[in-house]
Amino acid sequence: AQTVTQSQPEMSVQEAETVTLSCTYDTSESDYYLFWYKQPPSRQMILVIRQEAYKQQNATENRFSVNFQKAAKSFSLKISDSQLGDAAMYFCAYRRAYSGGGADGLTFGKGTHLIIQP
Amino acid sequence: NAGVMQNPRHLVRRRGQEARLRCSPMKGHSHVYWYRQLPEEGLKFMVYLQKENIIDESGMPKERFSAEFPKEGPSILRIQQVVRGDSAAYFCASSGQKNTEAFFGQGTRLTVV
Repeated sequence: AQTVTQSQPEMSVQEAETVTLSCTYDTSESDYYLFWYKQPPSRQMILVIRQEAYKQQNATENRFSVNFQKAAKSFSLKISDSQLGDAAMYFCAYRRAYSGGGADGLTFGKGTHLIIQP
Repeated sequence: NAGVMQNPRHLVRRRGQEARLRCSPMKGHSHVYWYRQLPEEGLKFMVYLQKENIIDESGMPKERFSAEFPKEGPSILRIQQVVRGDSAAYFCASSGQKNTEAFFGQGTRLTVV
């Protein structure tokens, strides 16, 4: 079974600084997807960034980027120029690639609570 | 284009009652997933459905829980004879054919008193 581990229950960063959230996973699959989701107090799950395992290039979305190390099974999220609106729970998630239609269920880590200090 | 719609947002049930949670996927999406989030935890996969078919229910408790996605209408997650341990946020997500991304609804918070 796949597992996703987020070892930092809580992280704090000054506004405008950079912060990195850690995530490791365990799988025997060679083809899969990795995600970071943000959950603000509203509870809405918002997709932040996605990485396909077969792509060596790290995904980037504006201030958000990942460091994907496939051999180490590591998938960290870097947030640059932190803003107050970035404060939320961040969940790392895994999904195996699926040859058919649709998508399999996601396996989530327990989350990291990110605090932004003004 | 409305997103994934879940209702109700909040549901209070007494122990032993039934809870019905509804999920309308995004327009054009035919795959629905249900997740449960306990306090201070990540989301846990429960079940994956396509229209009129349960594809993967490996995360569903063996008793009291059931899910359906009929040809017409929303997907329903049904919990019979609720107990306090069922109190959680239940999220629905949907995806389209051959789509790698699932879009989430805002969840239903179930409180069992």
